[in-house]
Amino acid sequence: EVQLVESGGGLVQPGGSLRLSCAASGFTFSDHYMDWVRQAPGKGLEWVARIRDKTRRYTTEYAASVRGRFSISRDDSERSLFLQMNSLKPDDTAVYYCTTGLRGDETRGSDWGQGTLVTVSS
Amino acid sequence: DIQMTQSPSSLSASVGDRVTITCRASQDIRSYLAWFQQKPGKAPKSLIYATSSLHSGVPSKFSGSGYGTEFTLTISSLQPEDSATYYCQHYDAYPLTFGGGTKVEIK
Repeated sequence: EVQLVESGGGLVQPGGSLRLSCAASGFTFSDHYMDWVRQAPGKGLEWVARIRDKTRRYTTEYAASVRGRFSISRDDSERSLFLQMNSLKPDDTAVYYCTTGLRGDETRGSDWGQGTLVTVSS
Repeated sequence: DIQMTQSPSSLSASVGDRVTITCRASQDIRSYLAWFQQKPGKAPKSLIYATSSLHSGVPSKFSGSGYGTEFTLTISSLQPEDSATYYCQHYDAYPLTFGGGTKVEIK
């Protein structure tokens, strides 16, 4: 069974930093692109960042709203995904989900974690 | 950026009804379209990927179709447990974007 478990959310002041983690199990983590998706309270879904697999040199993509402030990374040996969030703004307040990334050659849909809440407020 | 427009934004239907949700892309996304279901307070769940492929464990009452810029999600016989918000997402180019969601309620 695929499991994605996020952690690291919490309350942080504007301008502060936070590092989210996602622990993966039940699938070959190293073979998958991985994404972070967020959802502000009462709003829709917003894709945040992607990291590709080793064969594609772990290259990354970002939404314009977070580029230069957020950094996605992974540790395949630990089956873990990370999101380093710097210079946080109140608009970054959201539930952050870790998901397997769709890329066009998959044989199943994306799997999602339960999410971790990040609140940016003074 | 590719804009994804869902319609309707909400609908109310009776148990047993056939329900169709439309998702339109602002440019050609070929078949790189996924659908998700989200219930209140829960994480989204995958329903369909690659326009029409059913995610593991998803009942066959859900189906998807389309190509290019117009796509549909159909629930063949609506049940109370299908009350949720449904989102489409393209993955043809960056940034990946989601539709605004369609809230489905049971009459």
